[in-house]
Amino acid sequence: QKEVEQNSGPLSVPEGAIASLNCTYSDRGSQSFFWYRQYSGKSPELIMSIYSNGDKEDGRFTAQLNKASQYVSLLIRDSQPSDSATYLCAVAGSSNTGKLIFGQGTTLQVKP
Amino acid sequence: DGGITQSPKYLFRKEGQNVTLSCEQNLNHDAMYWYRQDPGQGLRLIYYSQIVNDFQKGDIAEGYSVSREKKESFPLTVTSAQKNPTAFYLCASSMLFDNYGYTFGSGTRLTVV
Repeated sequence: QKEVEQNSGPLSVPEGAIASLNCTYSDRGSQSFFWYRQYSGKSPELIMSIYSNGDKEDGRFTAQLNKASQYVSLLIRDSQPSDSATYLCAVAGSSNTGKLIFGQGTTLQVKP
Repeated sequence: DGGITQSPKYLFRKEGQNVTLSCEQNLNHDAMYWYRQDPGQGLRLIYYSQIVNDFQKGDIAEGYSVSREKKESFPLTVTSAQKNPTAFYLCASSMLFDNYGYTFGSGTRLTVV
């Protein structure tokens, strides 16, 4: 079992729809969770972090965390073609060293 | 402005040649990391360092070497022992024992010619 799992996609949604990206993790002691966006040929950029159970909203983005189910998700409302990218889920394990474990990434395609 | 700088942006390596990728940060971060990314793939950890003069192998360290002589710098050497080095290389940094995630450099694209 991989430590952080994501569906590689591609996930295709029409412009204006809600895109839902999911991630599961195996280390039950994990405390910090991150979503990075990576455009083709570019480096990842941090778009959301979440540390507590529940929802965290930032503009069109909402991160959701459920530690009991070991599940973290990212919702993108009013999806735009510029949101088309690969989204990487990253988890800081229970060792608390700051080192992240990355999922394989989910490719999102937003069609005009 | 604080950040993390990778150079060069593009690098071409001949067969049997060693090449060194530069990574410098002025964020005062303790830890630095090197990842490799192949087309359509996720990030694979090559090496990481949490303090000066110390580093640990990641999942795919064979054919690579690193040094950490200064807190700000973590160069990666791709040796001739790395048989398939063509990839996108990413350097990242973070503080130890905090939970703010990584800052990434802009990457170096290495191609074997």
